[in-house]
Amino acid sequence: QSALTQPASVSGSPGQSITISCTGTSGDVGGYNYVSWYQQHPGKAPKLMIYAVSNRPSGVSDRFSGSKSGNTASLTISGLQAEDEADYYCSSYTSSSPLSVFGTGTKLTVL
Amino acid sequence: QVHLVESGGGLVKPGGSLKLSCAGSGFTFSDHYMSWIRQAPGKGLEWLSYIGYSGSAKFYADSVRGRFTISRDNSKNLVYLEMTSLRDEDTAVYYCAREGSTSTFSSFLDNWGQGTLVTVSS
Repeated sequence: QSALTQPASVSGSPGQSITISCTGTSGDVGGYNYVSWYQQHPGKAPKLMIYAVSNRPSGVSDRFSGSKSGNTASLTISGLQAEDEADYYCSSYTSSSPLSVFGTGTKLTVL
Repeated sequence: QVHLVESGGGLVKPGGSLKLSCAGSGFTFSDHYMSWIRQAPGKGLEWLSYIGYSGSAKFYADSVRGRFTISRDNSKNLVYLEMTSLRDEDTAVYYCAREGSTSTFSSFLDNWGQGTLVTVSS
Protein backbone atom coordinates (compact mmCIF):
# COMPACT_ATOMS: atom_id res chain seq x y z
CA GLN A 1 0.00 0.00 0.00
CA SER A 2 1.61 3.28 -1.10
CA ALA A 3 1.59 6.33 1.14
CA LEU A 4 -0.73 9.18 0.30
CA THR A 5 1.02 12.18 -1.25
CA GLN A 6 1.43 15.43 0.69
CA PRO A 7 3.65 18.45 0.04
CA ALA A 8 6.86 18.20 2.02
CA SER A 9 6.47 21.68 3.46
CA VAL A 10 4.16 24.67 3.63
CA SER A 11 4.57 27.97 5.38
CA GLY A 12 2.53 30.99 6.35
CA SER A 13 2.60 34.07 8.51
CA PRO A 14 0.64 34.46 11.74
CA GLY A 15 -2.99 35.22 11.01
CA GLN A 16 -2.88 33.82 7.49
CA SER A 17 -4.56 30.65 6.23
CA ILE A 18 -2.83 27.67 4.70
CA THR A 19 -4.04 24.50 3.05
CA ILE A 20 -2.31 21.12 3.01
CA SER A 21 -3.31 18.65 0.31
CA CYS A 22 -3.40 14.87 0.52
CA THR A 23 -3.68 12.94 -2.73
CA GLY A 24 -4.57 9.30 -2.99
CA THR A 25 -6.57 7.08 -5.30
CA SER A 26 -10.08 5.82 -5.72
CA GLY A 27 -9.04 2.90 -3.54
CA ASP A 28 -8.49 5.10 -0.53
CA VAL A 29 -9.16 8.86 -0.32
CA GLY A 30 -11.53 8.97 -3.28
CA GLY A 31 -13.50 5.89 -2.36
CA TYR A 32 -14.35 6.51 1.27
CA ASN A 33 -15.19 9.37 3.59
CA TYR A 34 -12.67 8.14 6.14
CA VAL A 35 -9.91 10.74 5.85
CA SER A 36 -8.23 11.91 9.04
CA TRP A 37 -5.58 14.48 9.89
CA TYR A 38 -2.98 14.38 12.66
CA GLN A 39 -0.72 17.04 14.14
CA GLN A 40 2.67 16.04 15.53
CA HIS A 41 5.02 18.30 17.44
CA PRO A 42 8.67 17.23 17.73
CA GLY A 43 9.18 14.38 20.16
CA LYS A 44 5.46 14.01 20.79
CA ALA A 45 2.81 11.51 19.78
CA PRO A 46 0.46 12.49 16.96
CA LYS A 47 -2.82 14.19 17.85
CA LEU A 48 -6.07 13.70 15.95
CA MET A 49 -7.27 16.99 14.44
CA ILE A 50 -9.90 15.94 11.87
CA TYR A 51 -11.74 12.66 11.25
CA ALA A 52 -14.24 11.47 8.65
CA VAL A 53 -13.05 14.18 6.24
CA SER A 54 -14.38 17.22 8.09
CA ASN A 55 -15.25 16.39 11.69
CA ARG A 56 -13.34 17.95 14.59
CA PRO A 57 -12.83 16.06 17.85
CA SER A 58 -13.84 17.82 21.01
CA GLY A 59 -11.20 20.33 22.06
CA VAL A 60 -9.73 20.96 18.61
CA SER A 61 -9.87 24.60 17.52
CA ASP A 62 -12.38 25.51 14.82
CA ARG A 63 -9.47 27.12 12.97
CA PHE A 64 -8.85 23.61 11.65
CA SER A 65 -11.13 22.34 8.89
CA GLY A 66 -11.10 19.48 6.42
CA SER A 67 -12.59 18.79 3.02
CA LYS A 68 -12.34 16.38 0.11
CA SER A 69 -12.76 16.52 -3.63
CA GLY A 70 -12.26 13.41 -5.69
CA ASN A 71 -9.01 11.70 -4.73
CA THR A 72 -7.63 14.72 -2.86
CA ALA A 73 -8.34 15.74 0.72
CA SER A 74 -7.35 19.05 2.25
CA LEU A 75 -6.64 20.45 5.68
CA THR A 76 -7.06 24.19 6.10
CA ILE A 77 -5.74 26.08 9.08
CA SER A 78 -7.01 29.64 9.40
CA GLY A 79 -5.65 32.38 11.62
CA LEU A 80 -2.24 30.72 11.83
CA GLN A 81 -0.61 30.75 15.23
CA ALA A 82 2.94 29.98 16.28
CA GLU A 83 1.75 26.84 18.09
CA ASP A 84 0.44 25.42 14.81
CA GLU A 85 4.01 24.86 13.66
CA ALA A 86 4.28 21.07 13.49
CA ASP A 87 4.20 18.11 11.15
CA TYR A 88 0.81 17.17 9.72
CA TYR A 89 -0.19 13.75 8.42
CA CYS A 90 -3.31 12.72 6.59
CA SER A 91 -4.62 9.17 6.64
CA SER A 92 -7.33 7.25 4.89
CA TYR A 93 -9.15 3.98 5.05
CA THR A 94 -8.08 1.62 2.31
CA SER A 95 -9.65 -1.64 1.29
CA SER A 96 -6.29 -3.40 1.42
CA SER A 97 -4.51 -4.47 4.58
CA PRO A 98 -3.80 -2.99 7.08
CA LEU A 99 -6.99 -1.02 6.35
CA SER A 100 -5.40 2.40 6.72
CA VAL A 101 -2.57 4.36 5.18
CA PHE A 102 -0.81 7.58 6.16
CA GLY A 103 0.31 10.44 4.00
CA THR A 104 3.96 11.35 3.53
CA GLY A 105 3.69 14.21 6.00
CA THR A 106 3.93 18.00 5.70
CA LYS A 107 6.07 20.29 7.80
CA LEU A 108 4.24 23.52 8.56
CA THR A 109 6.41 26.53 9.33
CA VAL A 110 4.88 29.64 10.84
CA LEU A 111 7.07 32.51 9.68
CA GLN B 1 -9.62 9.78 30.84
CA VAL B 2 -8.22 7.52 28.14
CA HIS B 3 -4.64 6.42 28.72
CA LEU B 4 -2.39 4.20 26.63
CA VAL B 5 1.07 3.16 27.79
CA GLU B 6 3.50 1.16 25.68
CA SER B 7 6.35 -0.90 27.07
CA GLY B 8 8.87 -3.47 25.95
CA GLY B 9 11.07 -1.46 23.64
CA GLY B 10 14.84 -1.62 23.71
CA LEU B 11 17.97 -2.64 21.86
CA VAL B 12 17.91 -5.90 19.93
CA LYS B 13 20.30 -7.49 17.44
CA PRO B 14 19.32 -8.07 13.80
CA GLY B 15 17.41 -11.31 13.54
CA GLY B 16 16.24 -11.03 17.11
CA SER B 17 12.78 -10.78 18.62
CA LEU B 18 10.93 -8.41 20.89
CA LYS B 19 7.39 -8.20 22.28
CA LEU B 20 5.76 -4.84 22.85
CA SER B 21 2.81 -4.31 25.17
CA CYS B 22 0.27 -1.52 25.37
CA ALA B 23 -1.93 -1.07 28.41
CA GLY B 24 -5.20 0.77 28.02
CA SER B 25 -7.25 2.43 30.73
CA GLY B 26 -10.13 4.84 31.09
CA PHE B 27 -12.34 3.20 28.47
CA THR B 28 -14.04 -0.08 27.59
CA PHE B 29 -11.08 -1.75 25.93
CA SER B 30 -13.03 -4.44 24.06
CA ASP B 31 -15.20 -1.82 22.33
CA HIS B 32 -12.35 -0.55 20.18
CA TYR B 33 -10.12 -1.75 17.40
CA MET B 34 -6.48 -1.19 18.41
CA SER B 35 -3.54 -0.39 16.19
CA TRP B 36 0.25 -0.25 16.10
CA ILE B 37 2.04 2.48 14.17
CA ARG B 38 5.74 3.21 13.94
CA GLN B 39 7.95 6.14 13.06
CA ALA B 40 11.56 5.65 12.03
CA PRO B 41 13.98 8.41 13.10
CA GLY B 42 13.28 11.55 11.08
CA LYS B 43 10.66 9.77 8.97
CA GLY B 44 6.90 9.68 8.65
CA LEU B 45 4.24 7.52 10.24
CA GLU B 46 3.72 3.94 9.08
CA TRP B 47 0.56 2.00 9.91
CA LEU B 48 1.63 -1.52 10.88
CA SER B 49 -1.33 -3.46 12.13
CA TYR B 50 -4.93 -3.41 13.32
CA ILE B 51 -6.74 -5.88 15.57
CA GLY B 52 -10.48 -6.20 15.90
CA TYR B 53 -12.62 -6.15 19.01
CA SER B 54 -12.24 -9.80 19.97
CA GLY B 55 -8.82 -10.34 18.43
CA SER B 56 -9.97 -12.61 15.63
CA ALA B 57 -9.63 -9.97 12.90
CA LYS B 58 -6.03 -8.93 12.22
CA PHE B 59 -4.53 -6.81 9.47
CA TYR B 60 -0.88 -6.17 8.64
CA ALA B 61 1.20 -3.93 6.43
CA ASP B 62 3.21 -5.77 3.79
CA SER B 63 6.44 -4.62 5.45
CA VAL B 64 5.77 -6.66 8.60
CA ARG B 65 3.39 -9.43 7.53
CA GLY B 66 4.82 -12.81 8.48
CA ARG B 67 7.30 -11.27 10.96
CA PHE B 68 5.05 -9.32 13.34
CA THR B 69 1.99 -10.64 15.20
CA ILE B 70 -0.64 -8.50 16.87
CA SER B 71 -2.79 -9.86 19.68
CA ARG B 72 -4.90 -8.63 22.55
CA ASP B 73 -6.10 -9.69 25.99
CA ASN B 74 -9.35 -7.89 26.75
CA SER B 75 -9.40 -9.27 30.30
CA LYS B 76 -6.20 -7.35 31.00
CA ASN B 77 -6.78 -4.38 28.68
CA LEU B 78 -3.60 -5.18 26.79
CA VAL B 79 -2.61 -5.23 23.14
CA TYR B 80 0.67 -6.77 22.03
CA LEU B 81 2.99 -6.65 19.06
CA GLU B 82 5.33 -9.61 18.81
CA MET B 83 8.21 -8.84 16.47
CA THR B 84 10.54 -11.48 15.04
CA SER B 85 13.32 -11.52 12.43
CA LEU B 86 14.02 -7.89 13.22
CA ARG B 87 15.97 -5.81 10.72
CA ASP B 88 17.89 -2.56 10.95
CA GLU B 89 15.03 -0.83 9.16
CA ASP B 90 12.62 -1.79 11.97
CA THR B 91 14.35 0.76 14.20
CA ALA B 92 11.62 3.22 15.14
CA VAL B 93 9.37 4.58 17.83
CA TYR B 94 6.39 2.25 18.08
CA TYR B 95 3.03 3.71 19.06
CA CYS B 96 -0.17 1.97 20.00
CA ALA B 97 -3.39 3.82 19.36
CA ARG B 98 -7.12 3.42 19.78
CA GLU B 99 -9.56 3.38 16.85
CA GLY B 100 -11.99 6.16 17.54
CA SER B 101 -15.30 4.55 16.67
CA THR B 102 -17.03 1.91 18.73
CA SER B 103 -19.91 1.08 16.41
CA THR B 104 -18.17 0.70 13.08
CA PHE B 105 -14.60 0.77 11.89
CA SER B 106 -13.85 4.31 10.77
CA SER B 107 -10.08 4.40 10.36
CA PHE B 108 -9.15 7.18 12.75
CA LEU B 109 -7.02 7.06 15.88
CA ASP B 110 -8.30 9.30 18.64
CA ASN B 111 -5.87 8.37 21.40
CA TRP B 112 -2.19 7.49 21.21
CA GLY B 113 0.41 6.22 23.65
CA GLN B 114 3.67 8.04 24.19
CA GLY B 115 5.60 5.50 22.14
CA THR B 116 8.40 3.05 22.87
CA LEU B 117 11.73 3.05 21.05
CA VAL B 118 12.96 -0.11 19.36
CA THR B 119 16.56 -0.07 18.15
CA VAL B 120 17.80 -2.90 15.95
CA SER B 121 21.57 -2.87 15.83
CA SER B 122 24.50 -5.20 16.17
